[in-house]
Amino acid sequence: ETGVTQTPRHLVMGMTNKKSLKCEQHLGHNAMYWYKQSAKKPLELMFVYNFKEQTENNSVPSRFSPECPNSSHLFLHLHTLQPEDSALYLCASSQVWQGSYEQYFGPGTRLTVT
Amino acid sequence: ELKVEQNPLFLSMQEGKNYTIYCNYSTTSDRLYWYRQDPGKSLESLFVLLSNGAVKQEGRLMASLDTKARLSTLHITAAVHDLSATYFCAVPPNTGNQFYFGTGTSLTVIP
Repeated sequence: ETGVTQTPRHLVMGMTNKKSLKCEQHLGHNAMYWYKQSAKKPLELMFVYNFKEQTENNSVPSRFSPECPNSSHLFLHLHTLQPEDSALYLCASSQVWQGSYEQYFGPGTRLTVT
Repeated sequence: ELKVEQNPLFLSMQEGKNYTIYCNYSTTSDRLYWYRQDPGKSLESLFVLLSNGAVKQEGRLMASLDTKARLSTLHITAAVHDLSATYFCAVPPNTGNQFYFGTGTSLTVIP
Protein backbone atom coordinates (compact mmCIF):
# COMPACT_ATOMS: atom_id res chain seq x y z
CA GLU A 1 0.00 0.00 0.00
CA THR A 2 1.22 3.47 -0.78
CA GLY A 3 0.06 6.97 0.10
CA VAL A 4 -3.06 7.36 2.20
CA THR A 5 -5.65 4.60 2.34
CA GLN A 6 -9.17 4.71 3.74
CA THR A 7 -11.67 2.00 4.54
CA PRO A 8 -14.45 1.42 3.89
CA ARG A 9 -14.88 3.30 0.63
CA HIS A 10 -18.66 3.30 0.94
CA LEU A 11 -20.80 3.03 4.05
CA VAL A 12 -24.54 3.09 4.56
CA MET A 13 -25.70 3.25 8.15
CA GLY A 14 -28.86 3.88 10.08
CA MET A 15 -29.16 6.65 12.62
CA THR A 16 -28.85 4.25 15.54
CA ASN A 17 -25.80 2.38 14.27
CA LYS A 18 -22.20 2.68 15.43
CA LYS A 19 -19.46 2.42 12.84
CA SER A 20 -15.85 3.49 12.39
CA LEU A 21 -13.88 4.91 9.49
CA LYS A 22 -10.23 3.99 9.21
CA CYS A 23 -7.35 5.89 7.67
CA GLU A 24 -3.75 4.76 7.30
CA GLN A 25 -0.84 6.74 5.88
CA HIS A 26 2.28 5.06 4.52
CA LEU A 27 4.27 8.28 4.01
CA GLY A 28 6.00 8.62 7.36
CA HIS A 29 4.10 11.81 8.13
CA ASN A 30 3.53 13.23 11.61
CA ALA A 31 0.15 14.93 11.16
CA MET A 32 -3.25 13.56 10.15
CA TYR A 33 -6.57 15.22 9.40
CA TRP A 34 -10.26 14.45 8.96
CA TYR A 35 -12.30 16.55 6.52
CA LYS A 36 -15.97 16.49 5.60
CA GLN A 37 -17.04 17.31 2.05
CA SER A 38 -20.75 17.89 1.49
CA ALA A 39 -22.38 18.74 -1.78
CA LYS A 40 -22.08 22.42 -2.65
CA LYS A 41 -20.07 23.29 0.48
CA PRO A 42 -16.39 24.02 0.99
CA LEU A 43 -14.22 21.32 2.42
CA GLU A 44 -14.63 21.43 6.22
CA LEU A 45 -11.74 20.55 8.49
CA MET A 46 -12.99 18.43 11.39
CA PHE A 47 -9.95 17.29 13.37
CA VAL A 48 -6.18 17.68 13.33
CA TYR A 49 -3.67 15.41 15.01
CA ASN A 50 0.00 16.38 15.31
CA PHE A 51 2.29 13.67 16.67
CA LYS A 52 -0.81 11.72 17.79
CA GLU A 53 -2.11 14.68 19.83
CA GLN A 54 -5.35 16.35 18.83
CA THR A 55 -4.70 20.01 18.16
CA GLU A 56 -7.88 21.11 16.41
CA ASN A 57 -11.53 20.27 16.89
CA ASN A 58 -13.56 22.61 14.76
CA SER A 59 -16.84 22.54 16.67
CA VAL A 60 -17.62 19.04 15.52
CA PRO A 61 -20.66 17.38 17.16
CA SER A 62 -19.83 14.72 19.73
CA ARG A 63 -21.43 12.02 17.60
CA PHE A 64 -18.09 12.12 15.73
CA SER A 65 -15.23 10.83 17.86
CA PRO A 66 -11.68 10.69 16.48
CA GLU A 67 -8.91 8.39 17.63
CA CYS A 68 -5.25 8.46 16.68
CA PRO A 69 -3.42 5.48 18.25
CA ASN A 70 -0.16 6.23 16.41
CA SER A 71 1.10 8.61 13.77
CA SER A 72 0.15 6.24 10.93
CA HIS A 73 -3.45 5.48 11.85
CA LEU A 74 -6.51 7.62 12.33
CA PHE A 75 -10.06 6.55 13.08
CA LEU A 76 -13.37 8.36 13.07
CA HIS A 77 -15.96 6.69 15.29
CA LEU A 78 -19.55 7.41 14.35
CA HIS A 79 -22.69 6.99 16.45
CA THR A 80 -26.28 8.22 16.31
CA LEU A 81 -25.62 10.18 13.14
CA GLN A 82 -28.14 12.38 11.35
CA PRO A 83 -29.06 12.34 7.65
CA GLU A 84 -27.23 15.67 7.19
CA ASP A 85 -24.02 13.88 8.13
CA SER A 86 -24.12 12.09 4.78
CA ALA A 87 -21.02 13.26 2.93
CA LEU A 88 -17.61 12.28 1.63
CA TYR A 89 -15.16 11.97 4.54
CA LEU A 90 -11.58 12.56 3.55
CA CYS A 91 -8.47 11.76 5.50
CA ALA A 92 -5.18 13.54 4.82
CA SER A 93 -1.65 13.50 6.18
CA SER A 94 1.33 15.83 6.06
CA GLN A 95 4.80 16.34 7.44
CA VAL A 96 4.79 19.41 9.62
CA TRP A 97 7.63 21.60 10.85
CA GLN A 98 9.78 20.76 7.90
CA GLY A 99 9.26 20.85 4.17
CA SER A 100 6.23 22.11 2.34
CA TYR A 101 3.47 20.98 4.76
CA GLU A 102 1.66 19.66 1.70
CA GLN A 103 -1.35 17.53 2.59
CA TYR A 104 -1.88 14.21 0.85
CA PHE A 105 -5.43 12.94 0.67
CA GLY A 106 -6.91 9.47 0.81
CA PRO A 107 -9.67 8.32 -1.57
CA GLY A 108 -12.41 9.10 0.93
CA THR A 109 -15.34 7.24 2.45
CA ARG A 110 -18.74 8.01 0.96
CA LEU A 111 -21.12 7.90 3.93
CA THR A 112 -24.89 7.71 3.62
CA VAL A 113 -27.02 7.98 6.76
CA THR A 114 -30.55 6.62 6.37
CA GLU B 1 -10.85 32.75 10.83
CA LEU B 2 -9.02 32.81 7.53
CA LYS B 3 -11.41 33.19 4.57
CA VAL B 4 -10.55 31.89 1.12
CA GLU B 5 -12.55 32.96 -1.91
CA GLN B 6 -12.31 31.53 -5.37
CA ASN B 7 -13.80 32.86 -8.54
CA PRO B 8 -15.41 31.95 -10.66
CA LEU B 9 -17.29 29.14 -8.94
CA PHE B 10 -18.31 27.65 -12.26
CA LEU B 11 -16.44 27.92 -15.52
CA SER B 12 -17.43 26.53 -18.87
CA MET B 13 -14.87 27.07 -21.57
CA GLN B 14 -14.18 25.87 -25.07
CA GLU B 15 -11.25 23.71 -25.95
CA GLY B 16 -8.27 25.74 -27.03
CA LYS B 17 -9.18 28.82 -25.01
CA ASN B 18 -7.30 30.41 -22.12
CA TYR B 19 -8.69 31.37 -18.75
CA THR B 20 -7.64 32.26 -15.20
CA ILE B 21 -9.05 31.15 -11.86
CA TYR B 22 -8.49 33.46 -8.90
CA CYS B 23 -7.98 32.67 -5.24
CA ASN B 24 -8.10 35.48 -2.66
CA TYR B 25 -7.48 35.02 1.03
CA SER B 26 -8.03 37.20 4.04
CA THR B 27 -4.98 36.95 6.27
CA THR B 28 -1.22 36.70 6.16
CA SER B 29 0.13 33.51 4.67
CA ASP B 30 3.24 32.80 2.65
CA ARG B 31 2.12 29.42 1.30
CA LEU B 32 -0.68 28.28 -0.97
CA TYR B 33 -1.67 24.95 -2.48
CA TRP B 34 -3.75 24.03 -5.51
CA TYR B 35 -5.65 20.74 -5.74
CA ARG B 36 -7.72 19.06 -8.40
CA GLN B 37 -10.74 16.85 -7.72
CA ASP B 38 -12.46 14.68 -10.31
CA PRO B 39 -16.11 13.74 -9.69
CA GLY B 40 -16.43 11.14 -6.94
CA LYS B 41 -12.68 11.12 -6.38
CA SER B 42 -10.28 12.49 -3.82
CA LEU B 43 -8.08 15.59 -4.01
CA GLU B 44 -4.90 15.43 -6.04
CA SER B 45 -2.12 17.91 -5.37
CA LEU B 46 -1.27 20.14 -8.32
CA PHE B 47 0.99 22.92 -7.07
CA VAL B 48 2.76 23.95 -3.91
CA LEU B 49 3.63 27.66 -3.78
CA LEU B 50 5.94 28.52 -0.91
CA SER B 51 6.92 32.15 -1.33
CA ASN B 52 5.90 35.50 -2.73
CA GLY B 53 6.34 35.54 -6.49
CA ALA B 54 6.42 31.74 -6.78
CA VAL B 55 5.37 30.46 -10.17
CA LYS B 56 4.92 26.81 -11.05
CA GLN B 57 3.90 25.26 -14.37
CA GLU B 58 2.75 21.79 -15.27
CA GLY B 59 1.50 21.18 -18.79
CA ARG B 60 -1.32 23.59 -19.59
CA LEU B 61 -1.62 24.86 -16.01
CA MET B 62 0.41 27.60 -14.39
CA ALA B 63 0.01 28.83 -10.82
CA SER B 64 1.39 31.96 -9.20
CA LEU B 65 1.35 33.53 -5.76
CA ASP B 66 1.37 37.18 -4.68
CA THR B 67 1.45 37.17 -0.89
CA LYS B 68 1.29 40.96 -0.66
CA ALA B 69 -1.98 41.04 -2.59
CA ARG B 70 -3.09 37.78 -0.91
CA LEU B 71 -3.87 36.41 -4.33
CA SER B 72 -3.06 33.31 -6.31
CA THR B 73 -3.96 32.59 -9.90
CA LEU B 74 -4.32 29.34 -11.78
CA HIS B 75 -3.97 29.99 -15.49
CA ILE B 76 -5.22 27.51 -18.07
CA THR B 77 -3.68 27.64 -21.52
CA ALA B 78 -5.35 26.06 -24.57
CA ALA B 79 -7.80 24.04 -22.50
CA VAL B 80 -8.49 20.40 -23.29
CA HIS B 81 -11.35 18.18 -22.11
CA ASP B 82 -9.09 16.29 -19.68
CA LEU B 83 -8.81 19.44 -17.58
CA SER B 84 -12.50 19.25 -16.65
CA ALA B 85 -12.57 18.94 -12.84
CA THR B 86 -13.02 21.01 -9.70
CA TYR B 87 -10.00 23.04 -8.63
CA PHE B 88 -9.42 24.09 -5.04
CA CYS B 89 -6.93 26.45 -3.50
CA ALA B 90 -5.92 25.93 0.13
CA VAL B 91 -4.20 28.37 2.46
CA PRO B 92 -2.66 27.80 5.87
CA PRO B 93 -2.10 30.69 8.28
CA ASN B 94 1.53 31.47 9.00
CA THR B 95 1.27 29.64 12.30
CA GLY B 96 -0.18 26.16 12.33
CA ASN B 97 -0.77 23.47 9.76
CA GLN B 98 -4.52 23.87 9.40
CA PHE B 99 -5.58 24.38 5.76
CA TYR B 100 -8.48 26.63 4.80
CA PHE B 101 -9.96 25.61 1.47
CA GLY B 102 -11.65 27.77 -1.10
CA THR B 103 -15.12 26.89 -2.34
CA GLY B 104 -13.71 25.34 -5.49
CA THR B 105 -14.03 26.20 -9.18
CA SER B 106 -15.89 23.65 -11.26
CA LEU B 107 -14.35 23.68 -14.72
CA THR B 108 -15.99 22.14 -17.77
CA VAL B 109 -14.12 22.16 -21.05
CA ILE B 110 -16.40 21.85 -24.04
CA PRO B 111 -15.21 20.41 -27.36
